[in-house]
Amino acid sequence: NAGVTQTPKFRVLKTGQSMTLLCAQDMNHEYMYWYRQDPGMGLRLIHYSVGEGTTAKGEVPDGYNVSRLKKQNFLLGLESAAPSQTSVYFCASSYSGQGVLYEQYFGPGTRLTVT
Amino acid sequence: QQQVKQSPQSLIVQKGGISIINCAYENTAFDYFPWYQQFPGKGPALLIAIRPDVSEKKEGRFTISFNKSAKQFSLHIMDSQPGDSATYFCAASIRQAGTASKLTFGTGTRLQVTL
Repeated sequence: NAGVTQTPKFRVLKTGQSMTLLCAQDMNHEYMYWYRQDPGMGLRLIHYSVGEGTTAKGEVPDGYNVSRLKKQNFLLGLESAAPSQTSVYFCASSYSGQGVLYEQYFGPGTRLTVT
Repeated sequence: QQQVKQSPQSLIVQKGGISIINCAYENTAFDYFPWYQQFPGKGPALLIAIRPDVSEKKEGRFTISFNKSAKQFSLHIMDSQPGDSATYFCAASIRQAGTASKLTFGTGTRLQVTL
C-alpha cells in the first residue's frame, strides 16, 4: 500500500514551458486535492476533485489546469510556467462522506523551480 | 485574506519542555480544526484534530485547547523531544454535505527541540 505518490519529485522549467504533475493514490479515495506550499504562506488549495471526471477550483487556481480521468489519478498541468509558480506542490486524497470530514493523506511533494 | 493566523513562526524548546503553538481564526462557520506535522522533505501528516463542541483533546503528549468565544485554538506538546522537531500547521474547515471540505491552513511554525 503506497498511499499517495507524486511524480516527478523535482523539476526545473524555463518560463513558458509546460509540464504535468502526476498524483496517484491506492486507497480508493473519492476526493483528491492539489496544494502549493510557499515559505510563510502555508499550504494553499489550487484545485480539487470530488470524483472521477469532476474538478473544481480552489483558492489559487490561476495558471493551472487539472484532470481526473481515473479515480486513482489526479493530474496538475502548467500550460505556460511562470517564476511565480516556483513552489512545492502537494497532492492529497481523502474519503468522502455526507457532512463528514475525513483525514487528508498527503504525498511527498514535487519541488518545481521556474527560471 | 488570511483566515487562519498562526504564531509563532519559529520556536526553540529544550528537551522535556512544553511547546505551545497558537492559531486564531475569523470564520465562525469553521467546525473542524486539525493540526498537521511536516518533517523536512515529506508531506504533512495529520497529528490531532478537534471539533468546536469540546474545549480540549489530548492524544499522548499532544493536546489541543480550543476557545470558541475567542476564536482561538492551540497545540501543546508536553515533554518535547528532538524527534518532535518539525513544522506544524494548524488548519480549519467547514463540513459540507456532498462535496469536499476544504482545509484553510495557517502559515506554519518551525519547531526545534534542542538537547
